[in-house]
Amino acid sequence: AQSVAQPEDQVNVAEGNPLTVKCTYSVSGNPYLFWYVQYPNRGLQFLLKYITGDNLVKGSYGFEAEFNKSQTSFHLKKPSALVSDSALYFCAVRDWGGNEKLTFGTGTRLTIIP
Amino acid sequence: EAGVTQSPTHLIKTRGQQATLRCSPISGHTSVYWYQQALGLGLQFLLWYDEGEERNRGNFPPRFSGRQFPNYSSELNVNALELEDSALYLCASFFYSSNTEAFFGQGTRLTVV
Repeated sequence: AQSVAQPEDQVNVAEGNPLTVKCTYSVSGNPYLFWYVQYPNRGLQFLLKYITGDNLVKGSYGFEAEFNKSQTSFHLKKPSALVSDSALYFCAVRDWGGNEKLTFGTGTRLTIIP
Repeated sequence: EAGVTQSPTHLIKTRGQQATLRCSPISGHTSVYWYQQALGLGLQFLLWYDEGEERNRGNFPPRFSGRQFPNYSSELNVNALELEDSALYLCASFFYSSNTEAFFGQGTRLTVV
């Protein structure tokens, strides 16, 4: 079975500071990893993904994530936070092939403080 | 290119009634996921359809069911509605064979009174 852990329910960052939202995963095979963002009363928007290749993945709105196989982590980062980055962030994983679903973490609420 | 569309946007039902939620995937996408997001909770996997067949099912009672049509659109049916079924129901589509990311619709807000 596959699983995702987002250890922080809430992350507060001052505007202009770097931000990190943590994610660790567990799969039996090779993982597909994703980050999504959700604004209030809206669906999820895709930010970025890791399938294979470079461990540092760049995505939308200046976000990036680093895949670390030995630590089974896929932390989301941004060098300089904006107030508009305040939202709910979800990490997700899917095992290659098979009939595995897309499994989400419990989400991290990111608040950027002006 | 049109995104994933869900209808209706909001739905109010009485306990014991049935609800039908609809999802139109992005053109070319053959797979559809359904998730339930109750207030304050994360995304709970409901169903996955690909090429008209059910590929996987989450830990929900049988009164949650669905189907996928030949044009890859999908329906989620919830029978014998209970108050705790009140939630945002999200549909996502992707192209399974190429392992693309899933794109989500805006959701249907189901309220059971």
